[in-house]
Amino acid sequence: RKEVEQDPGPFNVPEGATVAFNCTYSNSASQSFFWYRQDCRKEPKLLMSVYSSGNEDGRFTAQLNRASQYISLLIRDSKLSDSATYLCVVNLNFGNEKLTFGTGTRLTIIP
Amino acid sequence: DTAVSQTPKYLVTQMGNDKSIKCEQNLGHDTMYWYKQDSKKFLKIMFSYNNKELIINETVPNRFSPKSPDKAHLNLHINSLELGDSAVYFCASSQGLTRGEAFFGQGTRLTVV
Repeated sequence: RKEVEQDPGPFNVPEGATVAFNCTYSNSASQSFFWYRQDCRKEPKLLMSVYSSGNEDGRFTAQLNRASQYISLLIRDSKLSDSATYLCVVNLNFGNEKLTFGTGTRLTIIP
Repeated sequence: DTAVSQTPKYLVTQMGNDKSIKCEQNLGHDTMYWYKQDSKKFLKIMFSYNNKELIINETVPNRFSPKSPDKAHLNLHINSLELGDSAVYFCASSQGLTRGEAFFGQGTRLTVV
């Protein structure tokens, strides 16, 4: 089983739609959780951290369910500029921190 | 005033050659990383350094040798390049992942021919 699993997509959704991505992680000792965004031929950039209480940043909402080892990202009122690959990322800290990436979910917003 | 900068951005070289990629961060972070993104776009950690000391080595072949002269720099030297080494290599830095994010350089696209 992969450490972090995501549906690779692609997701093609019309502008203005709501889209949700899911991610599961295998190690219950994982410490911190993130969604990163990667545009084509660019570096990954942090979109948002994910907290157990859930958190929202504008049109983006992230949720963490530790019991189910499940992370989600919801994008409301999607814009053309949201087209990118969304990476579910987990920090597994056994004294040495490292980010473990999912394979990414590719999103294309259609005008 | 780029936070994490890598050079070169593109590198095309023949099999068997030795090449280096340089990385510098001006964020004052203690930890730096090398990640490899393969043709399937999967990002995987290779090395992690904390204050110039090697912390993580993820079963990377000995042909890859990172060097950190100071905590702001982490270079990657690759000996005897193979076709399978073709990938995008990303340098990153952080000040502790439980406190915040990792910042990535723009990547070095290595093509071995």
